[in-house]
Amino acid sequence: QVQLVESGGGVVQPGTSVRLSCEASGFTFSNYGMHWVRQAPGKGLEWVAVIWNDASKKVYAESWKGRLTISRDNPKRTLYLQIEDLGAEDTAVYYCARRCSGGACGLDYWGQGIPVTVSS
Amino acid sequence: DIVMTQSPDSLAVSLGERATINCKSSQSVFNTVNNKNYLAWYQQKPGQPPKLLIYWASTRESGVPDRFSGSGSGTDFTLSISSLQAEDVAVYYCQQYYSNPPFVTFGQGTKVEIK
Repeated sequence: QVQLVESGGGVVQPGTSVRLSCEASGFTFSNYGMHWVRQAPGKGLEWVAVIWNDASKKVYAESWKGRLTISRDNPKRTLYLQIEDLGAEDTAVYYCARRCSGGACGLDYWGQGIPVTVSS
Repeated sequence: DIVMTQSPDSLAVSLGERATINCKSSQSVFNTVNNKNYLAWYQQKPGQPPKLLIYWASTRESGVPDRFSGSGSGTDFTLSISSLQAEDVAVYYCQQYYSNPPFVTFGQGTKVEIK
């Protein structure tokens, strides 16, 4: 079955960076685009970034102002998200999610999420 | 960017009664090439990730009970739960996947509780 497992979160200092990982299994990872979505405590869902299946295209939410890098390693079946210059407002649960084939249905599978807490 | 606005923010419904959630997009998410509305609904229970319920505005994802239904077109959409069950208590989000970029925007969520 499809599984997405995030890692790399935790408590991080303001002004530092974090690299989140999402390991995929149960499907042909290289055939699917992948998203990151975040959810601040008690808040709604906020789309972060998407990467095409072959990494040929990457798109970020404008509000991030260049602090993000989304990438993937298809042989390792792993998606990454690097966030620079973290602030308290970045405290959230970060989810990776699979883009439906051909973008037909939105996001059809989600990981359990990884919490990131920005605090000194 | 396309803005998605849900109403109400929360609602309480008796077990077995109908729950209705509305979602309005700031511009049409209907694709005239394939005649599809690029609108999905998700259910998120406490401590869990979102779960895809409906896509193309009205197509149920595999395994989703038929008490969940979606309708609407263009800019106005509705998610209905025909007979609310205890396990349906959750926050529901609409999402457009039409605009390019950003590829995805969500509504603010609607919390459904038992009255």
